[in-house]
This record gives sequence, C-alpha cells and structure tokens, in this order.
Amino acid sequence: DAGITQSPRYKITETGRQVTLMCHQTWSHSYMFWYRQDLGHGLRLIYYSAAADITDKGEVPDGYVVSRSKTENFPLTLESATRSQTSVYFCASSDSGAFPYEQYFGPGTRLTVT
Amino acid sequence: GQQLNQSPQSMFIQEGEDVSMNCTSSSIFNTWLWYKQDPGEGPVLLIALYKAGELTSNGRLTAQFGITRKDSFLNISASIPSDVGIYFCAGHPSNSNSGYALNFGKGTSLLVTP
Repeated sequence: DAGITQSPRYKITETGRQVTLMCHQTWSHSYMFWYRQDLGHGLRLIYYSAAADITDKGEVPDGYVVSRSKTENFPLTLESATRSQTSVYFCASSDSGAFPYEQYFGPGTRLTVT
Repeated sequence: GQQLNQSPQSMFIQEGEDVSMNCTSSSIFNTWLWYKQDPGEGPVLLIALYKAGELTSNGRLTAQFGITRKDSFLNISASIPSDVGIYFCAGHPSNSNSGYALNFGKGTSLLVTP
C-alpha cells in the first residue's frame, strides 16, 4: 500500500524555468492539498481540490497552477520559477467521508530555485 | 488563513519529563488536530479532536479541545528520545469557506536529551 507519494523528492531548477511537482495517492481520497513549508511560516496552503476537475486557491496561490484530471493525481506547476519559491512542498489528501479533516501527507519535495 | 498561535516555539527537555504545548486562535474552530514531523519527512497525524471539551489519548500523548473552541493542548508524558521532532497544531475555522482545508500553527520544536 503506497499511500501518498511525491516526485521528485529533490529538485534544483533555474529562475524562469517551468517545473512540475507530482503527487499520487492510492486511497481514492476526494480531497487533495498542496502546502509549502518555510522557516518561520509553518505550512501554508497553496491550492486544494475537492474532486477531479474541481480546484480552488488557498492562502498563497500566486505563481502556481494545479490540475486534477484523475482522482489519484494532483500535480503542482510553477510556471516561471522564482527564488522566493524555494521551499519544501507537501501534498496531502483526505477522505470526504467520516473524517474529512484528517489529512495524510506525502514525504515532500525539496525545491531549490537558483 | 486564520492565524494559529502555537507555543512554545521550542522546548529542550530531559528524557522522562512531561511536555505541554498549546495552540490558540482568535476565532472558533470546529476541529483541532495535532501532527508530528520528523526531519526530512511529512507531518504525521497524531490526534484529531471534534468536540469542545474532548480529551483524547494516543499512547503517551493526550490532547484536548478547549471549551471555548479557540484553543487546544497537547501533552506528552514521560518523554523519550524518539519524541524529538516538530509538533504542529492544525484546525478548521467554523467560518471557513475553504472546504476541508486546515490552518496550521508554526510548530513547536522538541528536543529530548537522554
């Protein structure tokens, strides 16, 4: 049972490049979330999705794009990476059933923008 | 998002000691959760609370949903070296329009010396 996986685990890219972070979950959870984690800020929500083809902005969406064509996948794209987007990115999912607030996190992607 | 104030920011204790940390908000929350994050990994759910006044245990961990619905507490009894990590509170504001998205505190870093 793989649970929730993220790829790549580490990525170095240059300013202005487009980069896509992948997230895949095997639980068929309805909800998926993208967070970034920075020192001094904790976890901040970038985007979330209630189901396939339904996405919405979180607290810090600028510079990011998401899509969700399949329930199990929720890729995050940085259209033109900037140094301020250097961070650790976490994907999470939750079931919309009995305990929808209980989010389960992936291992994270450490992104460095040079 | 609604800011959560988590304290203390860090704790440095000896093995065997008890630990207390808390999280407060200026608005009412309908759910509180506590997560632990080990270095290089994603947060792991420890305890979820759904009712004001609720007291829930998970091994040596005990968490409470404050009566005012604006705070939550986490206690760790008889700490051991593997308790080292960052503990995050998270919650869902009752007035949120962001689906099941959570707001996170900035974390409490716990160090335990043998």
